[in-house]
Amino acid sequence: DQQVKQNSPSLSVQEGRISILNCDYTNSMFDYFLWYKKYPAEGPTFLISISSIKDKNEDGRFTVFLNKSAKHLSLHIVPSQPGDSAVYFCAATNSGGYQKVTFGTGTKLQVIP
Amino acid sequence: SQTIHQWPATLVQPVGSPLSLECTVEGTSNPNLYWYRQAAGRGLQLLFYSVGIGQISSEVPQNLSASRPQDRQFILSSKKLLLSDSGFYLCAWSQTGSGNTIYFGEGSWLTVV
Repeated sequence: DQQVKQNSPSLSVQEGRISILNCDYTNSMFDYFLWYKKYPAEGPTFLISISSIKDKNEDGRFTVFLNKSAKHLSLHIVPSQPGDSAVYFCAATNSGGYQKVTFGTGTKLQVIP
Repeated sequence: SQTIHQWPATLVQPVGSPLSLECTVEGTSNPNLYWYRQAAGRGLQLLFYSVGIGQISSEVPQNLSASRPQDRQFILSSKKLLLSDSGFYLCAWSQTGSGNTIYFGEGSWLTVV
């Protein structure tokens, strides 16, 4: 049962344009969401997170949007840069006690110069 | 600041040989600790997690085991490796409490031949 889904395995975007990566979840208990960036043969790096009490969180070029009613979140990268080319993982967890973090299968972003 | 290290970074082991991957966290106490494996097309799969010394929970049945002999040390082991154990293994930690981010180590490439 895939509780966190990233339905687009890959995405290509021109440098300078916006990259939009999407993520859907099924577990209504999830209340904290994260995005990670991963280069080949390296550990994932935390990018940005959002709590379910918010619908938007921004950090520089990265913005995460959360639509709780649709159980959908998205990561916007503006402007996209070649160094953003990597695999992006969406993740979700629920608060309190031990938090098991569930990851999506990832979206490979290629930013074309 | 907190840091996480895992080793070795790469290893090639014959089928039937033992395995030991080690991970340590510095700069924090009583962290939650995790072992993940990244498999092609399957994202990040949680193998084990630990909320305290000697407390290990397994997420999936497998040929591997985990131990936490000290507060900030997490070890992934196998008595006899299988070909299917090949993959990229990631250690991670998070702080106890709600809405916390998990942070990954550099990863270890295991090739079983």
